[in-house]
Amino acid sequence: GDSVTQMEGPVTLSEEAFLTINCTYTATGYPSLFWYVQYPGEGLQLLLKATKADDKGSNKGFEATYRKETTSFHLEKGSVQVSDSAVYFCALSDGNKLVFGAGTILRVKS
Amino acid sequence: ETGVTQTPRHLVMGMTNKKSLKCEQHLGHNAMYWYKQSAKKPLELMFVYSLEERVENNSVPSRFSPECPNSSHLFLHLHTLQPEDSALYLCASSPSRFSGRGYNEQFFGPGTRLTVL
Repeated sequence: GDSVTQMEGPVTLSEEAFLTINCTYTATGYPSLFWYVQYPGEGLQLLLKATKADDKGSNKGFEATYRKETTSFHLEKGSVQVSDSAVYFCALSDGNKLVFGAGTILRVKS
Repeated sequence: ETGVTQTPRHLVMGMTNKKSLKCEQHLGHNAMYWYKQSAKKPLELMFVYSLEERVENNSVPSRFSPECPNSSHLFLHLHTLQPEDSALYLCASSPSRFSGRGYNEQFFGPGTRLTVL
């Protein structure tokens, strides 16, 4: 079945550091890909998405590019802030259901 | 209230208790979902309702019993739970269940933190 693998955390960075969280997937067909973020005490929020190969999703300074050849969708941000501290989930969808990775905790120190 | 709300936010129960989790969406959506979020594990989809009809049940034990009386409300009735059922239970809704090749965005509530003693 479809699956998503993302790097284990926690990832701890200093403010203004560059962020990369790796995500790879296994799927039949051509899924859509997403990053969700979960801030402490809250539910998941959609951060960005890409629906076909080579699409780049972006939001709030975060970016991820749908790479079909490497089956990857790595999340990047050029300069993280303390307020970015959260759990980040990579996910895929065939249009019917979402399949999530295990989540990566990001901690940003001032 | 806006978005997806869940009550209670925290629940502690014994293994012989019966309790219910409530979810309400104010978005006019037709599909609702229950997920279980355990530490260091991917989110597990438990149930899917579309237009108040259960369309998916992912091999969830019968001690979890969902109910969807209308498209805005979703309940999860709990009885004789086990300590390993302790987790964050998330409710979500989406405009519809099926979307072909497009994406059907799910909106999540804040969750109910359940502890089973």
